[in-house]
Amino acid sequence: AQTVTQSQPEMSVQEAETVTLSCTYDTSESDYYLFWYKQPPSRQMILVIRQEAYKQQNATENRFSVNFQKAAKSFSLKISDSQLGDAAMYFCAYRNFGNEKLTFGTGTRLTIIP
Amino acid sequence: NAGVTQTPKFQVLKTGQSMTLQCAQDMNHEYMSWYRQDPGMGLRLIHYSVGAGITDQGEVPNGYNVSRSTTEDFPLRLLSAAPSQTSVYFCASTLSGRADEQYFGPGTRLTVT
Repeated sequence: AQTVTQSQPEMSVQEAETVTLSCTYDTSESDYYLFWYKQPPSRQMILVIRQEAYKQQNATENRFSVNFQKAAKSFSLKISDSQLGDAAMYFCAYRNFGNEKLTFGTGTRLTIIP
Repeated sequence: NAGVTQTPKFQVLKTGQSMTLQCAQDMNHEYMSWYRQDPGMGLRLIHYSVGAGITDQGEVPNGYNVSRSTTEDFPLRLLSAAPSQTSVYFCASTLSGRADEQYFGPGTRLTVT
């Protein structure tokens, strides 16, 4: 079975600075997808960014980018120019190719310091 | 287009009571699933369905029942509520066979006393 590990229960960053959230995963599969979800206090789960494992290029979405290291099974999220609205729980998630089941990490709570 | 809707948003049950959490989506998604979220444990898959009439167990299925009679609806039934089922429950849906995102409902906070 696949596992996803987020080793940072809490992180904080000054507004406008850059922060990196860590995620590692364990799988024997070669084709899969990785996701970062944001959960603000409203509780709504919001997709931040996704990465297909067969793509070598790291995904980017505006201020959000990932560092995908397939051999190391690492998938970190970098948030640039942090904003107060970025404060939330962030979950890393894994999904096998051809299977819609998501496996989540335990989450990292990100605090933005004004 | 309402996306994924869940009712109720909050519920308090006594131990032993039964209830159904409702989930509906209007995006014609084949795949629907239920997760529970507990502090320090992320989201864990309870049950899922790949289409009407087809359901299967996820990681933590005990104490829960599901059925899928239509593409739109995927209710989750608690047969005899226990305090260990106190949690936040999320329903999600997506198109099957693609790398599309899963769309989550707003969640139901359930407390069992």
